[in-house]
Amino acid sequence: GESVGLHLPTLSVQEGDNSIINCAYSNSASDYFIWYKQESGKGPQFIIDIRSNMDKRQGQRVTVLLNKTVKHLSLQIAATQPGDSAVYFCAENRPNQAGTALIFGKGTTLSVSS
Amino acid sequence: SAVISQKPSRDICQRGTSLTIQCQVDSQVTMMFWYRQQPGQSLTLIATANQGSEATYESGFVIDKFPISRPNLTFSTLTVSNMSPEDSSIYLCSVVLAGGRADTQYFGPGTRLTVL
Repeated sequence: GESVGLHLPTLSVQEGDNSIINCAYSNSASDYFIWYKQESGKGPQFIIDIRSNMDKRQGQRVTVLLNKTVKHLSLQIAATQPGDSAVYFCAENRPNQAGTALIFGKGTTLSVSS
Repeated sequence: SAVISQKPSRDICQRGTSLTIQCQVDSQVTMMFWYRQQPGQSLTLIATANQGSEATYESGFVIDKFPISRPNLTFSTLTVSNMSPEDSSIYLCSVVLAGGRADTQYFGPGTRLTVL
């Protein structure tokens, strides 16, 4: 789930700016986290993941930060481009009766203007 | 990477009818899941599709309403039964790839269902 205090449903940035999308999770037993990007009319696309034994992981133009103390996750996108415009979801992997389950946050709509 | 396909991509159905959605993967997978995404909302897990046995449903979802089959490792179906307008949603399958990163789920393109 997401904390009302941290979640922004929309984020508007200029092309070339850095974007930061925040997410709070609720279950301290969650051990794996994923960020997805969903463009209009498509399914969610895997961007980057991080396990609970790490606090930072970098990909191409993207960085995920994990703060387990406050149960907070963020996605940083460097040099944001118009093609980055989409809805971004964080997801936490929790144990359940089937093994594990991904619980999705509310999503943040990123709009990039050129 | 794998190609995950869903059929149909979209449909418009009358209330009281049922629709079966197919999910096919071109690689070996260990796990398959079905999600619902209501308009403008996030994704909610419906169930884990188990090969050769009954699916494991999440709280709020039942087999009579959402029967699921998974006859082999790479194919699954979800049926939305006795539909009402409240069932209008995007239905998505996801998979964990065999030999891939454990727990990482990859999603199909979704099936957009409108119930009149």
